[in-house]
Amino acid sequence: DAGVTQSPTHLIKTRGQQVTLRCSPKSGHDTVSWYQQALGQGPQFIFQYYEEEERQRGNFPDRFSGHQFPNYSSELNVNALLLGDSALYLCASSHFRETNSGANVLTFGAGSRLTVL
Amino acid sequence: EDQVTQSPEALRLQEGESSSLNCSYTVSGLRGLFWYRQDPGKGPEFLFTLYSAGEEKEKERLKATLTKKESFLHITAPKPEDSATYLCAVRTGGYNKLIFGAGTRLAVHP
Repeated sequence: DAGVTQSPTHLIKTRGQQVTLRCSPKSGHDTVSWYQQALGQGPQFIFQYYEEEERQRGNFPDRFSGHQFPNYSSELNVNALLLGDSALYLCASSHFRETNSGANVLTFGAGSRLTVL
Repeated sequence: EDQVTQSPEALRLQEGESSSLNCSYTVSGLRGLFWYRQDPGKGPEFLFTLYSAGEEKEKERLKATLTKKESFLHITAPKPEDSATYLCAVRTGGYNKLIFGAGTRLAVHP
């Protein structure tokens, strides 16, 4: 049973460029969340998608946007990259019904390491 | 503002030397406190969820406890393979937004 898969694993971009990161949730999960983890810090919540809609958003600018597809997979897009966007981007999946019951546990992928030069 | 603080930032132990990691939190309404383990270059791996003060959970050499203001992760007789960053997170509202602390980097030496 595959867990959460993310691609690419590593990528390098220059300031001002745009990047798209991809995530496939764990089998049976229907909700995808994205987190940004700077070096030496804990993950920070970007947003969460369920039923192809953004359900909740953290304190990130509009340069960060996302999408969820009918098969529950998701993309994170970042426009006009800044040096400060360099980080590990983590995708986490869960089941919406379990989320609302409070019993939910997020399953994380290995992340996409983005370096902005 | 909801906040999670972990201490110490880094901890070095000898194999077999027991210790505790601390997670203090200030939240408007706790709907779960989570402990995760993260190895270098990997995503966080779930360890425990605690929901109410007084609750305890154990897994091998790890034991997590919860009070109204903090949680402890006790490590008994650690082994080198327990070396990792341990992350604490809280959930305060609906959906599944977690607020993480910065983590404690644990190194266990033989």
